[in-house]
Amino acid sequence: EVVLTQSPATLSLSPGDRATLSCRASQDIINSLAWYQQKPGQAPRLVIYDASNRATGIPPRFSGSGSGTDFTLTISSLEPEDFAVYYCQQRTNWPPLTFGGGTKVEIK
Amino acid sequence: QVQLQESGPGLVKPSGTLSLTCAVSNDSISNTNWWSWVRQPPGKGLEWIAEIYRSGSTNYNPSLKSRVTLSLDKSKNHFSLKVTSVTAADTAVYYCTTRRWGDTYFDPWGQGILVTVSS
Repeated sequence: EVVLTQSPATLSLSPGDRATLSCRASQDIINSLAWYQQKPGQAPRLVIYDASNRATGIPPRFSGSGSGTDFTLTISSLEPEDFAVYYCQQRTNWPPLTFGGGTKVEIK
Repeated sequence: QVQLQESGPGLVKPSGTLSLTCAVSNDSISNTNWWSWVRQPPGKGLEWIAEIYRSGSTNYNPSLKSRVTLSLDKSKNHFSLKVTSVTAADTAVYYCTTRRWGDTYFDPWGQGILVTVSS
């Protein structure tokens, strides 16, 4: 099973700050990585797929990078609506398809 | 865009069977999508359960495979999840979601349904 480790667990930032979230895979997953945003009481929402492609309707301040085992989600300038929990997910070596433990981006 | 809506009992007794349905709208369940279930225990992360294709082919999380059954009903355009021998550890919000054939990510997701296992 591929284990995805996200860091940090919590990121305390202010609106306008740059957010850098990390996801590390226990095995090479090439570029098969997605990022989801989840707000309290809501379902996850796809943000990035195939490591670096923005999903439909996602603003350009969101960007993804990485390949192999190390991946990064960057939010260039945080807007109030960006404060949420972010999960990474892989489906290269499966089953099972796996998710990371999440990074909470909270207001400082 | 395709829309998904979960339904089913919100309370299941221990050792019983959890049964949920996901209604698909604005698309056909017979298209080239895999239809999936993901769950999230309260305050915790996401866990993929299983998925089913229009042919009836399935993929399961090995940790749950012995207790999970998926099915689909093309006439009603919905798919279903059954989890047997439930315990408190199965208490979670259950989401249905989908991915297109060849894609590795899920989009969109249903709103989720909380299922509590308690006597």
